[in-house]
Amino acid sequence: DSGVTQTPKHLITATGQRVTLRCSPRSGDLSVYWYQQSLDQGLQFLIQYYNGEERAKGNILERFSAQQFPDLHSELNLSSLELGDSALYFCASSVERGVYNEQFFGPGTRLTVL
Amino acid sequence: GQQLNQSPQSMFIQEGEDVSMNCTSSSIFNTWLWYKQDPGEGPVLLIALYKAGELTSNGRLTAQFGITRKDSFLNISASIPSDVGIYFCAGRPKTSYDKVIFGPGTSLSVIP
Repeated sequence: DSGVTQTPKHLITATGQRVTLRCSPRSGDLSVYWYQQSLDQGLQFLIQYYNGEERAKGNILERFSAQQFPDLHSELNLSSLELGDSALYFCASSVERGVYNEQFFGPGTRLTVL
Repeated sequence: GQQLNQSPQSMFIQEGEDVSMNCTSSSIFNTWLWYKQDPGEGPVLLIALYKAGELTSNGRLTAQFGITRKDSFLNISASIPSDVGIYFCAGRPKTSYDKVIFGPGTSLSVIP
């Protein structure tokens, strides 16, 4: 158990809909990362938040957005969903202290768009 | 942009064999991380490396931070069926300290 929690574990929805994925980082970690992993693909970095502020952006679509709240939990919002958005979505957290920046991953949310 | 290459892309080995895989980059990295992902699960951190030349073990796993700082190696000794999964390397580039870049992964299959 990495200490990172994600809800829900599974999500099935229809094209055009909007969903929200939730992540709680490990206690003490200020940084949250979101990744997308399609079938048999690697990890695609979407976005990073640090202590409530957006720090880095990867290949995140305009239909996707995220935020990190004062209690440090984060939400990833996916809208106007398409079939190709079906994937595993992972959240990771990191303490980001000096060189110690290992990311610890949550169990993921499996999104299926029908 | 900065990219990590992992080789081999996939490997099939007999139980009990030793395994070697590597991760390379065209630029210098300050940190190397190795993760293992089981199907449908989140990646789990295996080993973290912070200094060039550093050799670190975690049970049957040993990883090294390459002297050139452009590569890293992961070895698994005496493989067992539960070693099956995808092994990702990740690194923090010297010139982009805020970023962590992941490699495409090496898929390991162990034949009992």
